[in-house]
Amino acid sequence: DAKTTQPPSMDCAEGRAANLPCNHSTISGNEYVYWYRQIHSQGPQYIIHGLKNNETNEMASLIITEDRKSSTLILPHATLRDTAVYYCIVNDYKLSFGAGTTVTVRA
Amino acid sequence: EPEVTQTPSHQVTQMGQEVILRCVPISNHLYFYWYRQILGQKVEFLVSFYNNEISEKSEIFDDQFSVERPDGSNFTLKIRSTKLEDSAMYFCASRTGTTHYGYTFGSGTRLTVV
Repeated sequence: DAKTTQPPSMDCAEGRAANLPCNHSTISGNEYVYWYRQIHSQGPQYIIHGLKNNETNEMASLIITEDRKSSTLILPHATLRDTAVYYCIVNDYKLSFGAGTTVTVRA
Repeated sequence: EPEVTQTPSHQVTQMGQEVILRCVPISNHLYFYWYRQILGQKVEFLVSFYNNEISEKSEIFDDQFSVERPDGSNFTLKIRSTKLEDSAMYFCASRTGTTHYGYTFGSGTRLTVV
């Protein structure tokens, strides 16, 4: 499985866009990029996934670079409820969670 | 929106006792999983289950652990003889048979072994 690298933490102002980077330089051609988040001690929540095209849903947008070695999750208008640990994961058949990025949205 | 339901939300047990954690996955899902998270640590994969058998398990999932889908709706995790280090949040997850689709996780069972 490709490994991912994420910054350990980041702050974001409420109402502003939050851009969460992820490096996955060893990703192979058929591996998808998935994003999940975990609010406090709740179960992880699926956010979005993509292969090579940019994706958008009601929660977020996912931008994948052309070489697929990195991606960015965008929360367009962060709210206090978006404070969570965000996980970037490559490969789906067995989710492997790293340490993720702790995002703190501040009022 | 469909949910994965886990019971109980919190269980306290004495060391050496058997515990069964229960999960009701989403009804049309075909793949089922157990994960655990020790306080302050990463979410760790335990086991995946498909077509009534284990498809993959981690090193954590030793002979003390077992899973079962007894009646087509419930999915259980049994720990035969609990140890202090089994104290953790246990999450059940399920997903459809469609390739490349997100998992849905339950809200977890907090297991405390005393």
